Amino acid sequence: GENVEQHPSTLSVQEGDSAVIKCTYSDSASNYFPWYKQELGKRPQLIIDIRSNVGEKKDQRIAVTLNKTAKHFSLHITETQPEDSAVYFCAAKGGTYKYIFGTGTRLKVLA
Amino acid sequence: GAGVSQTPSNKVTEKGKYVELRCDPISGHTALYWYRQSLGQGPEFLIYFQGTGAADDSGLPNDRFFAVRPEGSVSTLKIQRTERGDSAVYLCASSVGTSGTGTQYFGPGTRLLVL
Repeated sequence: GENVEQHPSTLSVQEGDSAVIKCTYSDSASNYFPWYKQELGKRPQLIIDIRSNVGEKKDQRIAVTLNKTAKHFSLHITETQPEDSAVYFCAAKGGTYKYIFGTGTRLKVLA
Repeated sequence: GAGVSQTPSNKVTEKGKYVELRCDPISGHTALYWYRQSLGQGPEFLIYFQGTGAADDSGLPNDRFFAVRPEGSVSTLKIQRTERGDSAVYLCASSVGTSGTGTQYFGPGTRLLVL
């Protein structure tokens, strides 16, 4: 069935360094890939998304890249700050309305 | 304006009981999703509504789970004969549009504990 794998499960970086989180999807019909940030006890919030007709998208310190051939997409956070510490989820939406989420990456930014 | 709201925020019930979880989407949002999130996992798709109809209910785990959205706004997720494995946070999300790729705005969730 449809699946999204996300790595790493935990990631610790020094403040100011970059963080990269990678996801792989199985459904070749997937055409929309959002990323969510979830702080402890809070709701998931969309931080950036990318559609299948685009290879890269950037919003200030956050960027997402998509490789449709390899079915990979990645989140890049530059100049990390302590407030970036949270759990990040990738998701893929296929040809239906269903979103498949990754298992999450717990990012810790060390001051 | 107001975001997505869910009630109750917490629900404790006994195995075998019936529960209802409510979602109030953002006004004007025609798309509504229900998800289940277990500890340490990503949200798991349950059902998607476009207006009043369930366009995709393939994520409902079994026939104990049912959801309605009779007027195209508020939605209720109903769980019959609850089991301990149903314990999780149930999230609702809404978005504009009909393609399913509009930004999803999540509610705060209902934390369900089945004893």
